[in-house]
Amino acid sequence: AQSVSQHNHHVILSEAASLELGCNYSYGGTVNLFWYVQYPGQHLQLLLKYFSGDPLVKGIKGFEAEFIKSKFSFNLRKPSVQWSDTAEYFCAVNTGFQKLVFGTGTRLLVSP
Amino acid sequence: DADVTQTPRNRITKTGKRIMLECSQTKGHDRMYWYRQDPGLGLRLIYYSFDVKDINKGEISDGYSVSRQAQAKFSLSLESAIPNQTALYFCATSLGGYEQYFGPGTRLTVT
Repeated sequence: AQSVSQHNHHVILSEAASLELGCNYSYGGTVNLFWYVQYPGQHLQLLLKYFSGDPLVKGIKGFEAEFIKSKFSFNLRKPSVQWSDTAEYFCAVNTGFQKLVFGTGTRLLVSP
Repeated sequence: DADVTQTPRNRITKTGKRIMLECSQTKGHDRMYWYRQDPGLGLRLIYYSFDVKDINKGEISDGYSVSRQAQAKFSLSLESAIPNQTALYFCATSLGGYEQYFGPGTRLTVT
């Protein structure tokens, strides 16, 4: 079965620090990849997505992610985080079976 | 206006009670999903529907049932609630199975 691993469960950063959250998936075929964000008390919102083409994708709020097929990875990055980026971040994979498989999430706390 | 709405937003119920969570969407999407979110476990798929006549079990469907009353409505029922069904429940929609759009969630507590 497909699975998605997010190795960082909790991350604490100071404002202006750089962020990288890891995401690895297990599936050998074509995938569509997503990062969702859940701000405290809110529903999930799409940050960015990768379907095909340029493996470096840019999303909202200055986030970007790089798809590295050989490593089965889709890591999320932001050069300089803000306090308002405090949230939980979920990586998700669609393997063509029309369902999303989610990772367990990474809680990011940005201290001012 | 919210495209995906869920009712109720919060619910406390007792063990053994039947409860229904409702989801409506105005996005015109064909596909609808129900997930539950538990701390440290991420989102797990309960049921999904590709159209009104197509209902499929997800990875954790035991103890739950669903009804797709119309393209825009997808309800989740707990026939006999138990405490380990205490969780945050999300409905989501998609068009053609790509990115999903989530509702605001229902926080359910079973005592």
